[in-house]
Amino acid sequence: DTGVSQDPRHKITKRGQNVTFRCDPISEHNRLYWYRQTLGQGPEFLTYFQNEAQLEKSRLLSDRFSAERPKGSFSTLEIQRTEQGDSAMYLCASSHGGNEKLFFGSGTQLSVL
Amino acid sequence: KQEVTQIPAALSVPEGENLVLNCSFTDSAIYNLQWFRQDPGKGLTSLLLIQSSQREQTSGRLNASLDKSSGRSTLYIAASQPGDSATYLCAVTYNFNKFYFGSGTKLNVKP
Repeated sequence: DTGVSQDPRHKITKRGQNVTFRCDPISEHNRLYWYRQTLGQGPEFLTYFQNEAQLEKSRLLSDRFSAERPKGSFSTLEIQRTEQGDSAMYLCASSHGGNEKLFFGSGTQLSVL
Repeated sequence: KQEVTQIPAALSVPEGENLVLNCSFTDSAIYNLQWFRQDPGKGLTSLLLIQSSQREQTSGRLNASLDKSSGRSTLYIAASQPGDSATYLCAVTYNFNKFYFGSGTKLNVKP
């Protein structure tokens, strides 16, 4: 059990570019969540997968955001045409069951210049 | 709209003091509540999970209580240490598909 892994740890990009983040959950965890966090705030929900199915997506997300979890293993989060307001820490979490603890990765810090 | 509020936003105490962090939520129909610790620039670490049928959970020097009817939870830290300095967040869920987080309490324990 190596924990939840996220890659990259840091990403600097120019406005208008596309970026993709990867999350590898704990191997036996079938639930996977993406959150976004800005300085001084709590994490804000983006989307949720149970196995390979994306069951919930925040209405705050624009069409520029998309997430996948092929084969119910790792997940990717893509942001197209990045904007400065997308600058934040993007966090991935996983759990084995609904009533069990969430395990978070260390996050990907995105800076859009 | 589900909201989670944490008071105070920041707290500074001398080492050895016992302290209480507060979390309140607007909708009491939660499935569970979790307390997390976050160190600067890092992800969150789950400290305690209280299911809706439970009143409290304990782990070492930490004790979390839950009062669903009043929409409140407290995290009690006994004999605080400088290593406890971090931001503490609480989160609730109503369907396991989504967790709602408070903004956290930033704790500083002075040696």
